[in-house]
Amino acid sequence: QVQLQESGPGLVKPSQTLSLTCTVSGGSISSGSYYWSWIRQPAGKGLEWIGRIYTSGSTNYNPSLKSRVTISVDTSKNQFSLKLSSVTAADTAVYYCARYSNYLLGIFDYWGQGTLVTVSS
Amino acid sequence: AIRMTQSPSSLSASTGDRVTITCRASQGISSYLAWYQQKPGKAPKLLIYAASTLQSGVPSRFSGSGSGTDFTLTISCLQSEDFATYYCQQYYSYPLLTFGGGTKVEIK
Repeated sequence: QVQLQESGPGLVKPSQTLSLTCTVSGGSISSGSYYWSWIRQPAGKGLEWIGRIYTSGSTNYNPSLKSRVTISVDTSKNQFSLKLSSVTAADTAVYYCARYSNYLLGIFDYWGQGTLVTVSS
Repeated sequence: AIRMTQSPSSLSASTGDRVTITCRASQGISSYLAWYQQKPGKAPKLLIYAASTLQSGVPSRFSGSGSGTDFTLTISCLQSEDFATYYCQQYYSYPLLTFGGGTKVEIK
């Protein structure tokens, strides 16, 4: 069974870049059957889709974050990553990685457990 | 972007109750709607997609309906493990995806 696991610093200073990695196990990230996404959730609030990447490296981002977001994939490590630049306190949230398949586009069937990132000096 | 509005934002119910949650889209999304359940400290879990198709392994007391702009999630007989927050999500404007604000189902 596929598993996704987020990792990265739990504390980031304002104006710096948030960097997270999602490691996929139980399946190959380069199988070509799946798209890999980042989603975040501020404490006590709803879910916000950040963006997604395909194994080819093709990406799409939420327009509200597009100027600050970069998602990349490393098929050799079975990982994909998120970079969010110029962070502020408003970027404090639990960050999830998740996947959806070619045949259920946009429907998230597997999620990581989430990792809390706090933006504070 | 398509906005998804859920109501109510929270509700109190008892075990055995029938519970209905509503999700409204700011424009028509056909049946491109999914529902997720999230328990505290956990990732969301897919319940329903295509507005009414039950994900494998999800109990049949969960059901979804609707199309266009108005959708409902119904739990026919609330169980203790169903107390959680529920989110709708549209994928009509794929690849841009948006979620509703959530509905918290609490114990009365």
